[in-house]
Amino acid sequence: EVQLVESGGDLVQPGRSLRLSCAASGFTFRDHVMHWVRQAPGKGLEWVSGISWASETIDYADSVKGRFTISRDNAKSSLYLQMNSLRAEDTAFYYCAKDVGNTGAMYFDSWGRGTLVTVSS
Amino acid sequence: QLMLTQSPSASASLGASVKLTCTLSSGHSNYAIAWHQQQPAKGPRLLMKVNSDGSHNKGDGIPDRFSGSSSGAERYLTISSLQSEDEADYYCQTWGTGIHVVFGGGTKLTVL
Repeated sequence: EVQLVESGGDLVQPGRSLRLSCAASGFTFRDHVMHWVRQAPGKGLEWVSGISWASETIDYADSVKGRFTISRDNAKSSLYLQMNSLRAEDTAFYYCAKDVGNTGAMYFDSWGRGTLVTVSS
Repeated sequence: QLMLTQSPSASASLGASVKLTCTLSSGHSNYAIAWHQQQPAKGPRLLMKVNSDGSHNKGDGIPDRFSGSSSGAERYLTISSLQSEDEADYYCQTWGTGIHVVFGGGTKLTVL
């Protein structure tokens, strides 16, 4: 059974940093593109970032470009999101998602339960 | 620019059928999309991928009541024999070049 477990969400002040992690199990992690998707309270889903299996292709939403960095450790079956210069509008549930593709994005066939990031003074 | 458009809300009666629509932006009518369901206070889950020819591939454990179809730039999700647990938000999602992903704004389905 595929499992994606996010962690690292917290209450942080504007301008500070936070690192999210996603522990994957139940599938061959290194064979898949992985993504972070977020959902602000009462809002829709927003794609944040994606990374190919070998980390050679990475992309970000314009809203986080230059502030967030996605990475992965295939040996540990883990996905990460380093979030710097956090803003109030980054407040959201952050979901880890598994893509069916391995080099380019396609669609997500598994999602985690999410971790909550709250940016507030 | 690759975009997906969904109606913000829809409603239908218990036991009835409903058809949700996701519209691809101009120039992208041959793109496949995926439908995801998000029940209240839960994470999303994949329902199915819908191709431009109307064929679809369901996620694991998705009931036969859920089906997909296509017409031009529109991709549809039809839910028949509506049940109370179908009351949820439904999102369509597609992908561009590289790693880029796009979501529609979501449709909130109310089961009356």
